[in-house]
Amino acid sequence: NAGVTQTPKFRVLKTGQSMTLLCAQDMNHEYMYWYRQDPGMGLRLIHYSVGEGTTAKGEVPDGYNVSRLKKQNFLLGLESAAPSQTSVYFCASSYPTHHSNQPQHFGDGTRLSIL
Amino acid sequence: KNEVEQSPQNLTAQEGEFITINCSYSVGISALHWLQQHPGGGIVSLFMLSSGKKKHGRLIATINIQEKHSSLHITASHPRDSAVYICAVETSGSRLTFGEGTQLTVNP
Repeated sequence: NAGVTQTPKFRVLKTGQSMTLLCAQDMNHEYMYWYRQDPGMGLRLIHYSVGEGTTAKGEVPDGYNVSRLKKQNFLLGLESAAPSQTSVYFCASSYPTHHSNQPQHFGDGTRLSIL
Repeated sequence: KNEVEQSPQNLTAQEGEFITINCSYSVGISALHWLQQHPGGGIVSLFMLSSGKKKHGRLIATINIQEKHSSLHITASHPRDSAVYICAVETSGSRLTFGEGTQLTVNP
């Protein structure tokens, strides 16, 4: 049981390049989330999904797009990377907690540097 | 003012000491989470609670809904407890708002 798997683990991009971060979970969770973590700040929600085919904006969605074509996968895209998007990105998944009383499960993170 | 405030930001203890990390929040919540982030970066959930107290091994989490306050206690601390401890509150739709974290260092 792998849990939540993020790929890649590290990436360096040049300003203006595009890339996609992949999150895969094998726990049949309905909900999936993308967060970014920056020094001196708590984790912040970028986008989330409450089911296959649905996505919604979080706290800091600008500059990112997401897709949830399959229940187990949640993709985070940067169309034109900017240095301000240098961060550590975490994916998480969960059942709806008001139904399950279970917490979110996190991936190991993707460290992304934009030069 | 952040919706979730943790104190202290940094904490250094000697092995064996009793440790308390505090979390205050300013919004209505459905649950409060305590998470641990290891030096390698991975994040694991320690507790999810909406009332009272939970205990797991040497870790104890309490919450006072009326006072909008939670504490995480570590008894008989050990160097392997060194990590960042994060408080997060759950509002609507299972969304979490996170505190900035408390960096704990336990020296042998």
